Amino acid sequence: QVQLVQSGAEVKKPGASMKVSCKASGDTLTGYYMHWVRQAPGQGLEWMGRINPKSGATNYAQKFQGRVTMTRDTSNSTFYLDLSRLKSDDTAVYYCARWGGGSYVFDPWGQGTLVTVSS
Amino acid sequence: DIQMTQSPSSLSASVGDRVTITCRASQSISSYLNWYQQKPGKAPKLLIYAASTLQSGVPSRFSGSGPGTDFTLTISSLQPEDFATYYCQQTYNMPYTFGQGTKLEI
Repeated sequence: QVQLVQSGAEVKKPGASMKVSCKASGDTLTGYYMHWVRQAPGQGLEWMGRINPKSGATNYAQKFQGRVTMTRDTSNSTFYLDLSRLKSDDTAVYYCARWGGGSYVFDPWGQGTLVTVSS
Repeated sequence: DIQMTQSPSSLSASVGDRVTITCRASQSISSYLNWYQQKPGKAPKLLIYAASTLQSGVPSRFSGSGPGTDFTLTISSLQPEDFATYYCQQTYNMPYTFGQGTKLEI
């Protein structure tokens, strides 16, 4: 059973960068993509992109192209989300979620990391 | 991008009621439609995948229908723990878009 544990909350200033981590335990890095989804306060879910844990290949939502970088460290089963040039509307809870293989689902999800962008 | 439109955006109901939430895709997505439940301060939880397949451990009062462009999530008899926000998601094409959510309130 895979469990995803994310890093703690962060406060960032506009223009800065954020880095959120997501550590997988259990049945780790078995070739299923890891996705990142964010949720602004009181808003819905927004897909940001995905990373192939084996090759490191990524696909990003067009909205975030040029600002987002997803990476992984296979030695410790950890995935990372970097977002640069932060703005106040990047304030959100950021979730990692594993692709559920043949079921085309996101399951399980990490617990979420709140990133607050404020001057 | 495929747009997912849920209705209603909010719904008031009582314990024991039968409720239905709808989700419409802007193009056919076959059965690549999932439903998630989210409670305040928690990550979304998978309820139904492939439009109508119940995730393991999810109570049988939840059901889903599809395929195509119009989908429904039905809760046959609401329980207190079902009051939450529900999201549909298409995994037919990237970007994997979500509906805007339906908040189910007492």
